[in-house]
Amino acid sequence: KTQVEQSPQSLVVRQGENCVLQCNYSVTPDNHLRWFKQDTGKGLVSLTVLVDQKDKTSNGRYSATLDKDAKHSTLHITATLLDDTATYICVVGDRGSALGRLHFGAGTQLIVIP
Amino acid sequence: EAAVTQSPRSKVAVTGGKVTLSCHQTNNHDYMYWYRQDTGHGLRLIHYSYVADSTEKGDIPDGYKASRPSQENFSLILELASLSQTAVYFCASRDAANSDYTFGSGTRLLVI
Repeated sequence: KTQVEQSPQSLVVRQGENCVLQCNYSVTPDNHLRWFKQDTGKGLVSLTVLVDQKDKTSNGRYSATLDKDAKHSTLHITATLLDDTATYICVVGDRGSALGRLHFGAGTQLIVIP
Repeated sequence: EAAVTQSPRSKVAVTGGKVTLSCHQTNNHDYMYWYRQDTGHGLRLIHYSYVADSTEKGDIPDGYKASRPSQENFSLILELASLSQTAVYFCASRDAANSDYTFGSGTRLLVI
C-alpha cells in the first residue's frame, strides 16, 4: 500500500507563475519530511526538510509547510523558471536515527513552459 | 565533486547474466543504501549497510545481493538478471548524526 501520495501527478505552468505541490501520507511515526528535486536523468537533490508538528521552511523561491496532525505537506514554488522543470519527490522519514526508513512518493512532474 | 558516484551510468544486460552496480562515496558516511526507481512509483529500498563488511536486507531484496568491502564502496549484484529488474538504481549515503542523505546520479539498467 502506498504510504505517500503526491498530487498532482503532473503539472504544466508558464514561466513566472506560482505553483503548489501536495503530499499526503500515512507513515507512522513521521519524524521528518523532506522534499527533493530530481532533474531528468539525475539524482535527488534535497530542497528542504520539515521536522516540527506544524512546520514551515523557506529556501529562496521554494517554501514548504508540514502539518503532522493532518499528515500533509505542501511545496510552493514562486515565480517559476524554466530550470524548475523536474520531478519533485516527497519523502517521509519514520525516525530521526539512521535506523529509520524513508518512504518515497512517486513524485510530481512539473513542466515550466515559456 | 560528486560525493556519491555510481557506475556505470547506464547498462544493458542480458537475461540470466550477472550485473554489478558500483557506488563510491567520499562523505565519510557509515550508512549506505541501494534503491530502485520504477516509473510511476516511489523509490524502494533493496539493501543497506551500516558498516563495512556488513549488509542488511531492505524491503525488496529478492534477486539482489549487496557487498560493502569498505566504508567508501557499496555494490549491488544481480546474479541472474531478469526483465523485471529493468529500472533506475540509486545509491545513497547518510550521516549517522542526522537525516541528511546524499544520492548518486543513478544507474539506468535495461535487461533484455
